Amino acid sequence: DQQVKQNSPSLSVQEGRISILNCDYTNSMFDYFLWYKKYPAEGPTFLISISSIKDKNEDGRFTVFLNKSAKHLSLHIVPSQPGDSAVYFCAASLYGGNQFYFGTGTSLTVIP
Amino acid sequence: DAGVIQSPRHEVTEMGQEVTLRCKPISGHDYLFWYRQTMMRGLELLIYFNNNVPIDDSGMPEDRFSAKMPNASFSTLKIQPSEPRDSAVYFCASSLRVGYTDTQYFGPGTRLTVL
Repeated sequence: DQQVKQNSPSLSVQEGRISILNCDYTNSMFDYFLWYKKYPAEGPTFLISISSIKDKNEDGRFTVFLNKSAKHLSLHIVPSQPGDSAVYFCAASLYGGNQFYFGTGTSLTVIP
Repeated sequence: DAGVIQSPRHEVTEMGQEVTLRCKPISGHDYLFWYRQTMMRGLELLIYFNNNVPIDDSGMPEDRFSAKMPNASFSTLKIQPSEPRDSAVYFCASSLRVGYTDTQYFGPGTRLTVL
């Protein structure tokens, strides 16, 4: 059963505009959330994370928002750049747990 | 550091054949993870090791799958016999330690095609 869901397989955005990638989860015990970015023919690389005690974490052009009541998180990229074109995976982990639960990924295309 | 190294990068085989995927983790990392990526399920954890010892293999889909870590710098994932539904990209990842917030570093993956 998929505990972390990314319902949009793909997203296209114009360069300079905002990209919003969404992620939903079902397990209310998840305590930590991450976004990984994956280019073709490469492995995923860590992008940004957020603890459940926060509702926002920002790192440069990337901001992750967490809505615990809705079991929803989102990644905002502002402004979007062509180099941001990649597959983005959302992941979650349990407090004290040992594994990450990944979503199915969203393929972002930033159009120049 | 060269990062996590996986070989081969691509593997094409016929149904029923044995397949062995290899991984070299980042030096000094105590944890090693094997994942499988499919369109339907995203990244699934198959098994992970701590100090060369398998800790959780509940994600291994069937007895056809096995994994070993004979030393701190090498791990294998074996499928025997392989089936077309095993076609996927297999990733190896390592981390310095496992806390639920620790970053995992992924290798480039092995794209497996079973005909």
